[in-house]
Amino acid sequence: EVQLVESGGGLVKPGGSLRLSCAASGFIFDSYHMNWVRQAPGKGLQWVSSISSTSNNLYYDDSVKGRFTISRDNAKNSLDLQMNGLTAEDTAVYYCTRGGADFFDYWGQGTLVTVSS
Amino acid sequence: QSALTQPASVSGSPGQSITLSCTGTHSDIGGYNYVSWYQQHPDKAPKLIIFDVTNRPFGISDRFSGSKSGNTASLTISGLQAEDEAAYYCASYTAITTLIVFGGGTKLTVL
Repeated sequence: EVQLVESGGGLVKPGGSLRLSCAASGFIFDSYHMNWVRQAPGKGLQWVSSISSTSNNLYYDDSVKGRFTISRDNAKNSLDLQMNGLTAEDTAVYYCTRGGADFFDYWGQGTLVTVSS
Repeated sequence: QSALTQPASVSGSPGQSITLSCTGTHSDIGGYNYVSWYQQHPDKAPKLIIFDVTNRPFGISDRFSGSKSGNTASLTISGLQAEDEAAYYCASYTAITTLIVFGGGTKLTVL
């Protein structure tokens, strides 16, 4: 059974940093592109970042480019998102998802990031 | 403002068929067959229900079907059931700026 379990969310002050992690199991991790998608409270979905299976290709939404860094460790079946320079607009549930640019077939349960003073 | 345009809400009665629209441009929906649809119940993670415009993942009911015409993609739900009440999001690959764009979502109410 495919499982994606996010962790690392919490309350952080504006300008602060947070590192999210996603533990993957139930599939051959290093065969898949992985992504982060977020959802602000009461709002829609927003793609944040993607990473290819070998980490050769990284992609970011313009709203996080230069502040967020996506990475993966295929030996540990894990996906990370380092978030720096956080603002209130980054407050959201962050989902780890499996898939490429065509679709996301599995989603984690999400981890809530709240940016507030 | 979302890159793809979806109506904010739609409603239908049990047993009816209903179609949700998702409008983009030639740089996303119109240019690629990489449209996907996601169903999200309150306080739950989204779930893939249609990929590559028309395909259903294993286990998804055939009451859900997808199509595309020009820059507009559509999701049709036939034989509406109470459990279909949820938010529905479309998404597409895009050749401009971001890699993937989502619609703002449509809240489906089953009357």
